[in-house]
Amino acid sequence: GNSVTQMEGPVTLSEEAFLTINCTYTATGYPSLFWYVQYPGEGLQLLLKATKADDKGSNKGFEATYRKETTSFHLEKGSVQVSDSAVYFCALYNQGGKLIFGQGTELSVKP
Amino acid sequence: AAGVIQSPRHLIKEKRETATLKCYPIPRHDTVYWYQQGPGQDPQFLISFYEKMQSDKGSIPDRFSAQQFSDYHSELNMSSLELGDSALYFCASSLRYSGDTEAFFGQGTRLTVV
Repeated sequence: GNSVTQMEGPVTLSEEAFLTINCTYTATGYPSLFWYVQYPGEGLQLLLKATKADDKGSNKGFEATYRKETTSFHLEKGSVQVSDSAVYFCALYNQGGKLIFGQGTELSVKP
Repeated sequence: AAGVIQSPRHLIKEKRETATLKCYPIPRHDTVYWYQQGPGQDPQFLISFYEKMQSDKGSIPDRFSAQQFSDYHSELNMSSLELGDSALYFCASSLRYSGDTEAFFGQGTRLTVV
């Protein structure tokens, strides 16, 4: 079945460090891929998405490229801020019409 | 812009009681999803509705039921509550055949069973 695997957290970085959160997926066909962010005590917010191979999603300095050959959708940001501290979820949207989430990666950015 | 509205935001119930969670999707969205997120866990899909019909079912206990009404709002009914039902329950909505598969999430209802 379809599944998403993320690197385990927590990830702790200093402000302005480079961020990579790995995400790989298993799916039939070509699902749309998403990164959602959840700030403490809040709901899920869409961060970025890509709907086909080689698409690059980007938002707020974050970006991720849909790599069909490696079935990956790694999240990157060149310079993180304290305000980026949150839990990040990679997800895929399958043909059945539901989102399947990875286990989430907690990011903590220290000043 | 209008977002997905969930009510209540917080709910405290005792074991064996019943709870009803409500979700109001974004106007014109035809699909509603329910997810359960336990502490420190990823959201787990419970059930979805498309045009008021159940379209998919995930790991939803038999004690839970849900429906989508004619105005497209949805309710998740939870009976014989157990301590393990304590979680954040998210509703999301989307327009299924819009060509854009983005699902928009509500703020969630935090259910605490004591």
